[in-house]
Amino acid sequence: DTGVSQDPRHKITKRGQNVTFRCDPISEHNRLYWYRQTLGQGPEFLTYFQNEAQLEKSRLLSDRFSAERPKGSFSTLEIQRTEQGDSAMYLCASSLSLPTGSNRDTQYFGPGTRLTVL
Amino acid sequence: QKEVEQNSGPLSVPEGAIASLNCTYSDRGSQSFFWYRQYSGKSPELIMFIYSNGDKEDGRFTAQLNKASQYVSLLIRDSQPSDSATYLCAADNYGQNFVFGPGTRLSVLP
Repeated sequence: DTGVSQDPRHKITKRGQNVTFRCDPISEHNRLYWYRQTLGQGPEFLTYFQNEAQLEKSRLLSDRFSAERPKGSFSTLEIQRTEQGDSAMYLCASSLSLPTGSNRDTQYFGPGTRLTVL
Repeated sequence: QKEVEQNSGPLSVPEGAIASLNCTYSDRGSQSFFWYRQYSGKSPELIMFIYSNGDKEDGRFTAQLNKASQYVSLLIRDSQPSDSATYLCAADNYGQNFVFGPGTRLSVLP
């Protein structure tokens, strides 16, 4: 257990429905990342936050996806009008970014939320 | 497009042998490299990171980095059946996120 938690662990939904996932990072970590992973592939970056600011979004993050990190603590990832192609494992990771860079922003992953869109 | 490449495997080694996992990356600007282990259906678990040329050892694991060749490797000594998993190589993207390879499946045969 890395200290990063995600909820729910599994979600089954019908195409067209909206879903929301939550991630609670390690408490002292200032960065939070979202990745998506499909079978046989490595995680693909979606977006990341430093504190409450969303600093980068991947081109994979279509208009149907939105992420928030209010107050710089937990984060939510919402997918609107889900499609079958959204079926994947959604991974959250957190890191402590130091000005010195000495920790190399090592990312620790939560258990993931597995989404199945029927 | 930044890329990290790995042989998808499976790589099969007998118990007690040395497993050698390799990774190449496309962006010379990448400074730090990470190895994660991922069991089937689970999330990635950090093994170690390396950012200086040469070797870095941690228990049975040794990471090797050659920036001139844009090559990273992970050696697992005295491989155990419990080491059977997918090993992901990741390169930092200018401190903003990680670019992951597709992973190499390792199978350690008893």
